[in-house]
Amino acid sequence: QSALTQPPSASGSPGQSVTISCAGTSSDIGGYNYVSWYQQHPGKAPKLMIYEVNKRPSGVPDRFSGSKSGNTASLTVSGLQAEDEADYYCSSFAGSDNRVFGGGTKLTVL
Amino acid sequence: EVQLVESGGGLVQPGGSLRLSCAASGFIFSSSWMSWVRQAPGKGLEWVANIKQDGSDKYYVDSVKGRFTISRDNAKDSLHLQMNSLRAEDTAVYYCVRGGTNFAHWGQGALVTVSS
Repeated sequence: QSALTQPPSASGSPGQSVTISCAGTSSDIGGYNYVSWYQQHPGKAPKLMIYEVNKRPSGVPDRFSGSKSGNTASLTVSGLQAEDEADYYCSSFAGSDNRVFGGGTKLTVL
Repeated sequence: EVQLVESGGGLVQPGGSLRLSCAASGFIFSSSWMSWVRQAPGKGLEWVANIKQDGSDKYYVDSVKGRFTISRDNAKDSLHLQMNSLRAEDTAVYYCVRGGTNFAHWGQGALVTVSS
């Protein structure tokens, strides 16, 4: 039940785009189209931003997009805004008896 | 509006027990997989357990197998986590979550501190 691998930090200026990667294996990301991404502001509960690789829940801005290639998933935030500064976590289905999260990426808006 | 409200957190000694509860509203509870996800202080998220709509299937992360039990009461729209043989490394905020794979809605969390 190993965690997925994310860079500890990422940054970008307002208006720019930033992409956060999430590396897994063929037993999780590579084997299923059940990758999701979560945004967490300090002291708050996580919020679902992307599910099933590239689907956005109602209310999530279309500046947020997801993709997957092989065993690696990515979250792209376009047109960065100050309120996007937060921690971001990826997660994947890894079999009926397992779910795994990434270690998290702290996104800083410069 | 979906609401998930956890209760039952607190300070417990190593080896002790605690039972978390989650009151759900704003959606059809009996139609949803439910999960517990935890976050140790200053650390990332960790899936702990999930349970099928009718309670027939339950799954756990290896580190809590044999110590934690997830359950639900669909008549009362409530989710529970019985935690036994608690260890210092179980110290975390425990979130009640709607969903079994796509964690769609989260409660505000209940802090569990295991310390002597």
